[in-house]
Amino acid sequence: EPEVTQTPSHQVTQMGQEVILRCVPISNHLYFYWYRQILGQKVEFLVSFYNNEISEKSEIFDDQFSVERPDGSNFTLKIRSTKLEDSAMYFCASSSRGGQPQHFGDGTRLSIL
Amino acid sequence: DAKTTQPPSMDCAEGRAANLPCNHSTISGNEYVYWYRQIHSQGPQYIIHGLKNNETNEMASLIITEDRKSSTLILPHATLRDTAVYYCIVRVHNTDKLIFGTGTRLQVFP
Repeated sequence: EPEVTQTPSHQVTQMGQEVILRCVPISNHLYFYWYRQILGQKVEFLVSFYNNEISEKSEIFDDQFSVERPDGSNFTLKIRSTKLEDSAMYFCASSSRGGQPQHFGDGTRLSIL
Repeated sequence: DAKTTQPPSMDCAEGRAANLPCNHSTISGNEYVYWYRQIHSQGPQYIIHGLKNNETNEMASLIITEDRKSSTLILPHATLRDTAVYYCIVRVHNTDKLIFGTGTRLQVFP
């Protein structure tokens, strides 16, 4: 069964550094998403992306965050200047079209030191 | 946003049916009910979704009441691998944002 893959599985970064989290969505999917889950807390929506544009974002997704689909297969989340509170699991998801079930990867654990 | 209410935890014996309830009394007519689960340290896994009619797939059945104010996810023969946190989510119309609550922690025991 096709799946969403995320790399790396664990990223350790110094506070203030930039980090890029990578995702390969399911190949025929057109809608892409990022969520995060701080340890012990709920899964939170960050952003949705379709047709090379952000279609929706949460208040968490401020100017330090950006997303990109640099080629036909990857979808990335960049955090420009990381803060301690950015430490979390970051999940990428994709769906075939809007309103269809989102399929999640197993996440990248981001640890900010 | 339509909110959901789920019991924080449930137990189920292996091989028995697990029935996970969810209340969504403020749901609107065009809002879908989705169920996901999260096994420890993994990403959320899609299970099933529905609007009005009951739905069944290879993983589970979804029973939605006629007034749509509540639903039940049924795992017909629970296994130890079904131990997870189960989330009932009402997807707001015209948005793809999924709003996760705290879910129900299902423990399947031998």
